[in-house]
Amino acid sequence: DIQMTQSPSSLSASVGDRVTITCRASQGISSWLAWYQQKPEKAPKSLIYAASSLQSGVPSRFSGGGSGTDFTLTISSLQPEDFATYYCQQYHRFPLTFGGGTKLEIK
Amino acid sequence: QVQLVQSGAEVKKPGASVKVSCKASGYTFTVYYMHWVRQAPGQGLEWMGWISPNSGGTNYAQKLQGRVTMTRDTSISTAYMELSRLISDDTAVYFCARDRMAYSSTCPDYWGQGTLVTVSS
Repeated sequence: DIQMTQSPSSLSASVGDRVTITCRASQGISSWLAWYQQKPEKAPKSLIYAASSLQSGVPSRFSGGGSGTDFTLTISSLQPEDFATYYCQQYHRFPLTFGGGTKLEIK
Repeated sequence: QVQLVQSGAEVKKPGASVKVSCKASGYTFTVYYMHWVRQAPGQGLEWMGWISPNSGGTNYAQKLQGRVTMTRDTSISTAYMELSRLISDDTAVYFCARDRMAYSSTCPDYWGQGTLVTVSS
C-alpha cells in the first residue's frame, strides 16, 4: 500500500495567516492526489483534486501543488471557517489511502 | 443539487452484520462510482472500496475482503454497504462518497452525512 504522511499533524495559526500543509507519498503518484477538509462531527468536504485543481465552489484562497511524492496545500489568508482538519488522499493505486490528517487550530 | 442521504445509526453485537444505505439524488445514479470510507472515533479516514452502480462491479480494500459487500438498487438510486462478522474495531462512522468522474474510479467529490455503527456486547 502507498503510505501518505502529512506534516505537521497539528498547527496553530491566526486569521489572516498564510499556512502550508505538506503531504508525502511513499512512492510516486504523479498528480493523483486530493485534499479534503473535515470539521468536527461532519463529513469531509472535497477541496482539491489532481493535486492542484480546485473543486467547484471552493474559495480561491485554497491552492494545491506538487507532483510525484511531495505535495502541498496552501491557504493564502486564513478565515475563521478554515479551522478544521485536513486530509490528503492518493488515488494512483488501490487501496486508496489517506494521510493521517493535519488539525488546524486558532492561535 | 447532488445529495447523498445515509441511513441512521446502528448498534450491533460482535459477530453480527450491518447494512448501511446511501440514497443518491440530483444526478444520474448509474454514471458515477460510489466509494465507501470509514472513520473510527478520533481517527483518520479509511477507504473501504467502491461499487459501479452501472455494472455492479466492485473493488474492495484487501483488508476487508470476505467481510464487506457493496450492492446497489438502481431503481431507487441507492447504494448499500454490508459488513459482516463485526468486531469492536469496526465501530466507526461510515460514509458513502460519489466519485468525481463519470464511469471512472478517481476520488470522491460529494459525501453522505455519515452513519455511526457501534459494535458492542
